[in-house]
Amino acid sequence: DTGVSQNPRHKITKRGQNVTFRCDPISEHNRLYWYRQTLGQGPEFLTYFQNEAQLEKSRLLSDRFSAERPKGSFSTLEIQRTEQGDSAMYLCASSSLQAGSGNTIYFGEGSWLTVV
Amino acid sequence: AQSVTQPDIHITVSEGASLELRCNYSYGATPYLFWYVQSPGQGLQLLLKYFSGDTLVQGIKGFEAEFKRSQSSFNLRKPSVHWSDAAEYFCAVKGIGNKLVFGAGTILRVKS
Repeated sequence: DTGVSQNPRHKITKRGQNVTFRCDPISEHNRLYWYRQTLGQGPEFLTYFQNEAQLEKSRLLSDRFSAERPKGSFSTLEIQRTEQGDSAMYLCASSSLQAGSGNTIYFGEGSWLTVV
Repeated sequence: AQSVTQPDIHITVSEGASLELRCNYSYGATPYLFWYVQSPGQGLQLLLKYFSGDTLVQGIKGFEAEFKRSQSSFNLRKPSVHWSDAAEYFCAVKGIGNKLVFGAGTILRVKS
């Protein structure tokens, strides 16, 4: 088991451009989460999927943000028309629904976004 | 709504000294509680978790935490800190909708 994988790890983009991050969860984990973390803060929940269904979205997820998990495996987070305030680390996490797992959530290494 | 408070933004301890990081939570039901550690520029690594049962839970790297319902606390402890423990530590509670709510974190500095 290789853990949660995210790429790219770092992205520098000009304001107004679109960016996409990919997350590969731990194999057979049903749930996949996206969080955002800014400097000096704890991670903040953005959205989560159970299999391919997006079950909850935070108010933080403006209409410029879209997340997909088309086949219930990997997920993408796209940010359109980036703004400087979008600069943050975007963390992906996954968990299993299996009994005994305790719904423990495992995080990836994160994707750093810098908007210039 | 669920919330987590970590009162200490920074803590500095000497290598070999004991450590306690404080965490207070607000949650109506029996909480699921977690401690994660984050090194600079890295993701979060799970140290330990509490779901039920024994209120003293053991984690990786020699850490332990004690759940105290009467105080709404879940403090993290380590008897002897190593220089490699320097990092940021986050307490979290699993709230409604299966999402984690994190505290603002405590940065641990270890002096030799």
